Amino acid sequence: GAVVSQHPSWVICKSGTSVKIECRSLDFQATTMFWYRQFPKQSLMLMATSNEGSKATYEQGVEKDKFLINHASLTLSTLTVTSAHPEDSSFYICSVYAREQYFGPGTRLTVT
Amino acid sequence: AQKVTQAQTEISVVEKEDVTLDCVYETRDTTYYLFWYKQPPSGELVFLIRRNSFDEQNEISGRYSWNFQKSTSSFNFTITASQVVDSAVYFCALRAYNNNDMRFGAGTRLTVKP
Repeated sequence: GAVVSQHPSWVICKSGTSVKIECRSLDFQATTMFWYRQFPKQSLMLMATSNEGSKATYEQGVEKDKFLINHASLTLSTLTVTSAHPEDSSFYICSVYAREQYFGPGTRLTVT
Repeated sequence: AQKVTQAQTEISVVEKEDVTLDCVYETRDTTYYLFWYKQPPSGELVFLIRRNSFDEQNEISGRYSWNFQKSTSSFNFTITASQVVDSAVYFCALRAYNNNDMRFGAGTRLTVKP
């Protein structure tokens, strides 16, 4: 069965609104979770590393004020895209490392 | 710095042909892991294989086989007797032993025609 779940699986929102994406580790307690972004026909790019109980670590070029990450428990990390714009439309994938690297099914965000 | 290069952007073959997907990597780490993932149109990544840097044995799993050559920093993936269901984007990825984040190659889109 699935090890990592994401919700929602897809979302359409209007420009200027905020969207929250949840990532849950179903079988493991995860002190660290990873958020990736994948634009159409492109590779996965690491956005940030989510650390339970502390601030996330963002990759170079990723705006931390725009992509808010909260990792409040060992099984849940959330990514909030604030004031979303059409260029934020992408496929967002979270990942958990627990002896092996597990990926969530992804969330497809479309900003109109 | 870690880098994964998949030079083949798209490959198209006819069913039953063999196809090899290339992967070349760069890393300063002496211990690391290499991966292959399949991403079908649904988007969910499907794990195919993990290889440790200290284990250069080639591996075969059904129609899939992997050739790890540390001397050339390559980890190539061959599908034998390809099938239409093999059509997907395939990603090669690298992760350092002491670092949990994974770096992906650009991916190779494989189309298998009937």
